[in-house]
Amino acid sequence: SQKIEQNSEALNIQEGKTATLTCNYTNYSPAYLQWYRQDPGRGPVFLLLIRENEKEKRKERLKVTFDTTLKQSLFHITASQPADSATYLCAPHSGGGADGLTFGKGTHLIIQP
Amino acid sequence: EAGVAQSPRYKIIEKRQSVAFWCNPISGHATLYWYQQILGQGPKLLIQFQNNGVVDDSQLPKDRFSAERLKGVDSTLKIQPAKLEDSAVYLCASSLDPGWETQYFGPGTRLLVL
Repeated sequence: SQKIEQNSEALNIQEGKTATLTCNYTNYSPAYLQWYRQDPGRGPVFLLLIRENEKEKRKERLKVTFDTTLKQSLFHITASQPADSATYLCAPHSGGGADGLTFGKGTHLIIQP
Repeated sequence: EAGVAQSPRYKIIEKRQSVAFWCNPISGHATLYWYQQILGQGPKLLIQFQNNGVVDDSQLPKDRFSAERLKGVDSTLKIQPAKLEDSAVYLCASSLDPGWETQYFGPGTRLLVL
């Protein structure tokens, strides 16, 4: 069956450092993969989408990589700030058929001042 | 641009009672989704509408859950009767049209079943 794995433990990073979050998937052949941010008591907010033919995508301090051979996406936040503290969800998608997303459990990121 | 609206924000009911949630998507968004998010888990898709038709309801527990989007705009999700394991946040999301990958989520309705 399809499985999406994200860092199960909370990730504590010191302010100013780069935070790296991992998303591994099995039994998927995603056409694209999305990353969302979720704050307590709020719905997820879209951050970045990367397609299978893209190795890397950037948006301001955010960078996503996508390795279809390793079946893995990495999400980087450079120059991290306490305001980056949140849960980050990944969602690989086959691109075909229905468009509902299947999410990983998410990684709880804590940026310490 | 107004975001996805949901109500109520919180609901506490006893098991075997019924409950309904309401969602108003972003204006012009043809596709609407309902997700269930249990504490510590990622959101799980329950049902997807394209205008007022159901595209995917394969993960909707149809013996107790129902949803409708009669005029292709607002949607309601109902649980009847509720079970303890239905305690979760129910998220509504919308997107411009099928194949538009980005989804916009509402704040969710937090349901507690006692």
